[in-house]
Amino acid sequence: NAGVTQTPKFRVLKTGQSMTLLCAQDMNHEYMYWYRQDPGMGLRLIHYSVGEGTTAKGEVPDGYNVSRLKKQNFLLGLESAAPSQTSVYFCASSLITGGNTEAFFGQGTRLTVV
Amino acid sequence: KQEVTQIPAALSVPEGENLVLNCSFTDSAIYNLQWFRQDPGKGLTSLLLIQSSQREQTSGRLNASLDKSSGRSTLYIAASQPGDSATYLCAVTGYSTLTFGKGTMLLVSP
Repeated sequence: NAGVTQTPKFRVLKTGQSMTLLCAQDMNHEYMYWYRQDPGMGLRLIHYSVGEGTTAKGEVPDGYNVSRLKKQNFLLGLESAAPSQTSVYFCASSLITGGNTEAFFGQGTRLTVV
Repeated sequence: KQEVTQIPAALSVPEGENLVLNCSFTDSAIYNLQWFRQDPGKGLTSLLLIQSSQREQTSGRLNASLDKSSGRSTLYIAASQPGDSATYLCAVTGYSTLTFGKGTMLLVSP
């Protein structure tokens, strides 16, 4: 099983450019999440989805949009990239939320905005 | 708002030592707590998951405990090895999301 796959793994953007990060999971999970990880800040939740067609804002949603058109895919979009969005982005998924539900993470996308 | 704190932020020990990593959280209304390992430049690997109704979980040399009422968890690593060097993160699962601590960076010297 591939688990959680993120595309691309690395990207350099110029300020003002747009891009989409793709997260795909093959575990039939309902819940999917996008986090960013910055030195000294830990992992912060950007947006999440509790099922196909639904999305919700997390802790740091400004400057990002998401879509969950298919259950297995969760897309994170940057409409107009800013240097403050330089970060490592992680996608995660879980079957549901609950006591025995384990979250699985992708390998990350390292994004640099210059 | 749930807040998760991990102490210490960094730890350096010689090989063979037993060690304890600490995690505390402010809101006890959690479904579970997970401990993850992250190697430099890599993603997160789940180590242990403790359900809110459980007190501890064990996997090999790792033992994690949970005291939900006091908002604390510990990760115990027995007989540490250089291969254990990594950042260890704890995360609590609330209604819809996971909230992470900032991690403990562990270095085990040969």
